[in-house]
Order: sequence, then C-alpha cells, then structure tokens
Amino acid sequence: DADVTQTPRNRITKTGKRIMLECSQTKGHDRMYWYRQDPGLGLQLIYYSFDVKDINKGEISDGYSVSRQAQAKFSLSLESAIPNQTALYFCATSDSRGLKKTQYFGPGTRLLVL
Amino acid sequence: KNQVEQSPQSLIILEGKNCTLQCNYTVSPFSNLRWYKQDTGRGPVSLTIMTFSENTKSNGRYTATLDADTKQSSLHITASQLSDSASYICVVTINAGNMLTFGGGTRLMVKP
Repeated sequence: DADVTQTPRNRITKTGKRIMLECSQTKGHDRMYWYRQDPGLGLQLIYYSFDVKDINKGEISDGYSVSRQAQAKFSLSLESAIPNQTALYFCATSDSRGLKKTQYFGPGTRLLVL
Repeated sequence: KNQVEQSPQSLIILEGKNCTLQCNYTVSPFSNLRWYKQDTGRGPVSLTIMTFSENTKSNGRYTATLDADTKQSSLHITASQLSDSASYICVVTINAGNMLTFGGGTRLMVKP
C-alpha cells in the first residue's frame, strides 16, 4: 500500500552493527506496528504503538527498540544486529476509530545480517 | 497458546481451476478472522474479514467461510487466474483489541 512506506527496502549489514528501519504513513492512522516474517512462519509482532506517547512490546521485542517520532513515523532499531535477525520486516498501521481496525502493511524491508 | 494453523503449506493449480485453503485456530477470545493476500515482495493486503456471527464473506472470486464452533475457516478461490499466485494468510484477532495472530500462510501457484 503506497500510503505506508518503508526505508530501506533492502539492507545488508554485519553482525554487531546498529541499524534503523523507518516507516512513514500518510493514512492519518494513530496505531503503528512492526512485524518480522521468517520463511514458512506467520508474522510476529515486535513492537506496537497506539499513539505517539504509547509504546508496547510485542511477542519478540528482545534485541529491538522503537521510536515513535510523530504520529506518521515509527522507526525500528536493531542495536547490535545478529544473523538470526535476518528476516523480512513489515510496518503496519490501523485506525482505532475504524470499525474493522484493518491493518495496512508497508512493502517490507528485507534485512540480511552477515 | 493462541495458534493459527493453515493447510496446505503450498498448492499448485492450473489456471481456471478452483481451490480451497484451510485455516484452523485456537485463538481465544475470538474477535474476527481475516484472510490476507501477500504477493511476493509486497506487504499483506486484506481480502475479507468475518466476525463471530458471520459465516461467509465474498470478495469477487474469493469466498471465505467461518465455523466459529469448530474454529475453522476456509478461503475458496473460483476460476483462478495467474495473478492469484501469492501467499494467503489467515489472521485471527483476539478479543476486541487490535492484536493479530498470523498463520504461516499457504503459498499458491497458478500455472497456465
């Protein structure tokens, strides 16, 4: 969905490096999420934010941190990347006022940690 | 543990044929069930959403069914097209919140 953008789309980094993945949205949604997807597995929630001052850990937050710089921006950081963090990362947004609360996903960031 | 299991893991069909994908879940308390389509290299896109009281929902050639008693859902694709080649993900929402539990997906390939 073009309303949710992620940068970079692809990234190769080395073990121990700090890396930041960024997400921006123009949908005006208050809720934002970070997921990782590993082959054959369902998406797993890393962190989520229901508004600018609200940050919550998901299922697999260890090794990750986030920052909600504004309602439209939610960044994910790997403080010291390790190879098992190689995965596809998705940002998503939703509107708490919407009846269906559908989550809209960005195009994903493919991360390879060597 | 809340789980969502999908079958088959992968499926190959010929263009024009129908197919049915299955989803079983143990998520509780249940709020709604969605099917997402994920094209290669793209984020998932919502196809259908069903609440506890709905047992079928259509979106063009896609028809989803839900049996809340047996905790099963299916996605039926009619007259498949090459563009249907994608992963189809079953997603269950817990309670009235916004937390989703994702299945591992079924990878569908439609061949000419």
